[in-house]
Amino acid sequence: DSGVTQTPKHLITATGQRVTLRCSPRSGDLSVYWYQQSLDQGLQFLIQYYNGEERAKGNILERFSAQQFPDLHSELNLSSLELGDSALYFCASSPRDIPYNEQFFGPGTRLTVL
Amino acid sequence: GQQLNQSPQSMFIQEGEDVSMNCTSSSIFNTWLWYKQDPGEGPVLLIALYKAGELTSNGRLTAQFGITRKDSFLNISASIPSDVGIYFCAGRDNNDMRFGAGTRLTVKP
Repeated sequence: DSGVTQTPKHLITATGQRVTLRCSPRSGDLSVYWYQQSLDQGLQFLIQYYNGEERAKGNILERFSAQQFPDLHSELNLSSLELGDSALYFCASSPRDIPYNEQFFGPGTRLTVL
Repeated sequence: GQQLNQSPQSMFIQEGEDVSMNCTSSSIFNTWLWYKQDPGEGPVLLIALYKAGELTSNGRLTAQFGITRKDSFLNISASIPSDVGIYFCAGRDNNDMRFGAGTRLTVKP
């Protein structure tokens, strides 16, 4: 158990819909990272927040957005969902802003878009 | 598609054998990382490499940061059944982190 929690574990929705994935980092960790893992694209870094502010951006679509709240939990919002958005979404946390190395991954949310 | 070239894609080995996998990139990275992912779980960091030429061990695992900063390898010695899983390499520069497609390891008892 990494100490990072993600909810929900599974999510099934339809194209065009909007969903919110939630992540609670390890106690004391200030950085939260979001990743997408799909069969054809592998593991891709989406975005990082540090202490409430966006810190780095990877391959995140404009239809996706994230935020980190004062209590340090984070939410990833996915809108206008497409079939290709079906994937595992991982959250990771670390104590510091950089380096990225000491990341602890949550169990993931499996999103299925029908 | 993938941004790092990781090979092999899969390996089937006998318990006790040594394993070697590697990652190459056209880009230079500041850090190379190796993760293991078990089914239904998130990746777990195995080894982090910070300097070109660095060789680091973690138990039966050894990884090296290539001199050109464009490649890294991971060796597992004397494999055991619990080594089964998918191993990912990742390269980090100042603002981004990219992953290999993974090497799926199967260990036969």
